[in-house]
Amino acid sequence: SQQGEEDPQALSIQEGENATMNCSYKTSINNLQWYRQNSGRGLVHLILIRSNEREKHSGRLRVTLDTSKKSSSLLITASRAADTASYFCAPKSSGDKLTFGTGTRLAVRP
Amino acid sequence: DVKVTQSSRYLVKRTGEKVFLECVQDMDHENMFWYRQDPGLGLRLIYFSYDVKMKEKGDIPEGYSVSREKKERFSLILESASTNQTSMYLCASKATAVDTQYFGPGTRLTVL
Repeated sequence: SQQGEEDPQALSIQEGENATMNCSYKTSINNLQWYRQNSGRGLVHLILIRSNEREKHSGRLRVTLDTSKKSSSLLITASRAADTASYFCAPKSSGDKLTFGTGTRLAVRP
Repeated sequence: DVKVTQSSRYLVKRTGEKVFLECVQDMDHENMFWYRQDPGLGLRLIYFSYDVKMKEKGDIPEGYSVSREKKERFSLILESASTNQTSMYLCASKATAVDTQYFGPGTRLTVL
């Protein structure tokens, strides 16, 4: 398993703005997942993008994957206060284990 | 919807006590995982299990053991709790055929 590194560590935006967070990883992957964690709670799966996909959408979420740069980005459009959470990427190679980084803490100000 | 439950949201124990953290999933998932989460360190895998009675060490197994007697239940055991095991503990499960993990709400353990 390999660890993704999220960037920035923290992000503060106004409600209605877009939020972009990035993930970098080191070796080739089968897929990459993004998870959200509300304060003091478990992680919730948001979206999975496979290595042969370049972009994927789910509601207000847009994920891109650039395997040549070994990076992914998560865009949340028209952010809401309820989007305040930590966001983690999980790049996956072989096997069943995932490794999570320290995440991006997003604060959406009303 | 998949449901993963953990026996306690908050737990306070004394140094040296034996601590059991229980995790139950209701989706017949083969794989179950225990993580701990600490500020600045992210989530770290302690142990995981592919099937009943099977277990594999994760990245930080020292000081922990696990038990999986039934498919739906995965227990994390702290044989002799220490203050450096104060942490948030997260359980997760997944089916073998898919990569998405489903997490429980977490147990915040404090060891005094």
